[in-house]
Amino acid sequence: GAGVSQSPRYKVAKRGQDVALRCDPISGHVSLFWYQQALGQGPEFLTYFQNEAQLDKSGLPSDRFFAERPEGSVSTLKIQRTQQEDSAVYLCASSVRDRGLTDTQYFGPGTRLTVL
Amino acid sequence: EDKVVQSPLSLVVHEGDTVTLNCSYEVTNFRSLLWYKQEKKAPTFLFMLTSSGIEKKSGRLSSILDKKELFSILNITATQTGDSAVYLCAVHSGGSNYKLTFGKGTLLTVNP
Repeated sequence: GAGVSQSPRYKVAKRGQDVALRCDPISGHVSLFWYQQALGQGPEFLTYFQNEAQLDKSGLPSDRFFAERPEGSVSTLKIQRTQQEDSAVYLCASSVRDRGLTDTQYFGPGTRLTVL
Repeated sequence: EDKVVQSPLSLVVHEGDTVTLNCSYEVTNFRSLLWYKQEKKAPTFLFMLTSSGIEKKSGRLSSILDKKELFSILNITATQTGDSAVYLCAVHSGGSNYKLTFGKGTLLTVNP
């Protein structure tokens, strides 16, 4: 079966532009996560969805970051008025069960965002 | 604040060598520890460890967890050039048992 897919794989934006990053989780996976990975660092948690509900957005670095998963499958991470410090790889992950159980997260290939 | 520390940060070996990667953690309410391999694409899942002293093995890779000393090791025997990657350690902890806290990773380079 297909894994987690993300698009675009690469995005170059001028400072101040808005961007939208898409994640298609593994079919049937209840949980979806977004992580931000800066160069040379491990991924850092941004936000978590259980189906369509955003249960934790504590990792979003500012109110310019917004995520949604309206139908409980595909998710979009939107960054408004991008800044150079937003340059990073944005990883999406999904897992089959809800937050009640520790579960393996499967990652997509990421979107590499470069803000000029 | 939860912390995961990996060592070494980078390592260069020759094909056939055996390597040991380290991961130590300081977290509240530990639940599980995961290892991932990251090449220039998606981090791929290797192991999930929840119990101390039980080795998990997959081919030339193996891993074990010590919950008393708060660390895990990942061993790779008879390394191959295809093992070159960043190896990430992550921990599920606390009340948010869905959130993973990652270390910075170990960059392994295997030369022919």
